[in-house]
Amino acid sequence: SQQGEEDPQALSIQEGENATMNCSYKTSINNLQWYRQNSGRGLVHLILIRSNEREKHSGRLRVTLDTSKKSSSLLITASRAADTASYFCATDATGANNLFFGTGTRLTVIP
Amino acid sequence: DVKVTQSSRYLVKRTGEKVFLECVQDMDHENMFWYRQDPGLGLRLIYFSYDVKMKEKGDIPEGYSVSREKKERFSLILESASTNQTSMYLCASSLWIGGSNQPQHFGDGTRLSIL
Repeated sequence: SQQGEEDPQALSIQEGENATMNCSYKTSINNLQWYRQNSGRGLVHLILIRSNEREKHSGRLRVTLDTSKKSSSLLITASRAADTASYFCATDATGANNLFFGTGTRLTVIP
Repeated sequence: DVKVTQSSRYLVKRTGEKVFLECVQDMDHENMFWYRQDPGLGLRLIYFSYDVKMKEKGDIPEGYSVSREKKERFSLILESASTNQTSMYLCASSLWIGGSNQPQHFGDGTRLSIL
């Protein structure tokens, strides 16, 4: 499978702490994307990092990409209860015409 | 903002019925996708379309078909619904630029129950 694999499957933290989620994949990629899904809703795109980039920031989000290890991480700083959601990585594999989604990390932020 | 609208949030059908799930996007995106999402299995691609009347099978096309007669509309059809098709169905659309897949925009999903 070309799917990304997120780690951990579930994460529970206190409000104000940082949350780190990891994604590993198997093939060469054009880009890697992170999405968020609130319970019972569709996915929302958060950030895209290209294969030639190593780090990217967007507000409280920081994404890193290590193509030699075929891995990425998503860091959410100063978490809030509203960050409670599932987070998915998706890879744009070279030569593919669709994204491959992982199974997600369920993040719970306790107020 | 891109809006992807799925015709129903919740749907209950009976085994053997022909079921239509409709999806409309308003941003002139070339690509449209249908996924199903089940606990522990993540998102699995059923079909996608990169142009009007064009379609490609995804990972789990069996028991499904699709139709794309207009650029903005992509329909998923369950030819003869079965209980193992009970799931959350998600539609998405995206641009295709320079040989790479751009971010996908999702609808809110249809939770389909087959009795």
